[in-house]
Amino acid sequence: AQSVAQPEDQVNVAEGNPLTVKCTYSVSGNPYLFWYVQYPNRGLQFLLKYITGDNLVKGSYGFEAEFNKSQTSFHLKKPSALVSDSALYFCAVRDDGGFKTIFGAGTRLFVKA
Amino acid sequence: NAGVMQNPRHLVRRRGQEARLRCSPMKGHSHVYWYRQLPEEGLKFMVYLQKENIIDESGMPKERFSAEFPKEGPSILRIQQVVRGDSAAYFCASSPPRGGGGTTGELFFGEGSRLTVL
Repeated sequence: AQSVAQPEDQVNVAEGNPLTVKCTYSVSGNPYLFWYVQYPNRGLQFLLKYITGDNLVKGSYGFEAEFNKSQTSFHLKKPSALVSDSALYFCAVRDDGGFKTIFGAGTRLFVKA
Repeated sequence: NAGVMQNPRHLVRRRGQEARLRCSPMKGHSHVYWYRQLPEEGLKFMVYLQKENIIDESGMPKERFSAEFPKEGPSILRIQQVVRGDSAAYFCASSPPRGGGGTTGELFFGEGSRLTVL
């Protein structure tokens, strides 16, 4: 069965500093990995995905994520955080033969000015 | 191109009443997913549908909950005899058919329907 773990409930970072939001996963086949962001009282917005190819993927709003097969991780990163990045971030996984996308519990990012 | 449309955005029901949540997928999308988000929790998969077919309902409670995606019209998530524990945000997402071109894998979410049971 697929599963996703986001070990941190909340990440605090100062504006201008780099940020990392952690994610590890488990699937039976090859993973399709995703990051989404949710602002208060809104739906989820897609940020980026890894399907195949380069382990470092770039997405919207300056975010990027690194796929690490040996560590089964897909951490979200940004070189310089903005206050407007403060939101709830979800990591998600789907195996390449399946239909169901499973989400982690979410990590709340708080960027302080 | 209109996004995923969900309505109502907010719904208040008393215990024992029925709640119907509607979702119109993006144009060209034939796959619909329903997720539930409880306060301060992540998204829990409920059901995956294609037109006129339920593909995976492994996340649906065994009683009171049902979903459909008819040939014409929106997908409907129906909750009968609501209880306070059903209070949550219900999100619909859609995706294009496999091999249908365009983006692959990611889901496109609606703004959610927030159900409050009094």
